[in-house]
Amino acid sequence: QKEVEQDPGPLSVPEGAIVSLNCTYSNSAFQYFMWYRQYSRKGPELLMYTYSSGNKEDGRFTAQVDKSSKYISLFIRDSQPSDSATYLCAMRNTGNQFYFGTGTSLTVIP
Amino acid sequence: EPEVTQTPSHQVTQMGQEVILRCVPISNHLYFYWYRQILGQKVEFLVSFYNNEISEKSEIFDDQFSVERPDGSNFTLKIRSTKLEDSAMYFCASSSDRGPYGYTFGSGTRLTVV
Repeated sequence: QKEVEQDPGPLSVPEGAIVSLNCTYSNSAFQYFMWYRQYSRKGPELLMYTYSSGNKEDGRFTAQVDKSSKYISLFIRDSQPSDSATYLCAMRNTGNQFYFGTGTSLTVIP
Repeated sequence: EPEVTQTPSHQVTQMGQEVILRCVPISNHLYFYWYRQILGQKVEFLVSFYNNEISEKSEIFDDQFSVERPDGSNFTLKIRSTKLEDSAMYFCASSSDRGPYGYTFGSGTRLTVV
């Protein structure tokens, strides 16, 4: 079973739509949950992070973690064309390494 | 804003050749990492480095790979004898502490082995 599963998409939405991105995981030891945004030919850029279960909001972005279901989500409200990118979930236990999802490619159409 | 700088942006090498990928981490960061991303696949952890030694490495990081911090600013990844399957995007990252949120990734080096 893969550590982290993420639907690769691609996902295409009209400008202003609410976007929901999701990942599931199998390792119950994961404690730290992050969402990265990656533009073409660039490195991942940290977008949101949460520790353990719960919600976190930052502007148009909301990250949710449900540890009981081993499920995390990123919601983007009022999506903009500049949000078009690949979104990667990443998780970590107490060790050094991150475990990434495959990434979901998002296109927001003006 | 401080950046992690990687050079070159694209490297083409012949199979069997040695290659060195270079990174300049953020200046006050103490923890350094290499990740790779094969086209269309996940970003995968290779190695972490702290206090001039490897602190953790993955199964991918076999004897063909080595890392070094030759001076106070550079952090390098060496692949001794490249294989076709080493073709990937290699990302360097650094952080100021062991906390999981403070990673900054570089823009990557695209390695193509022919």
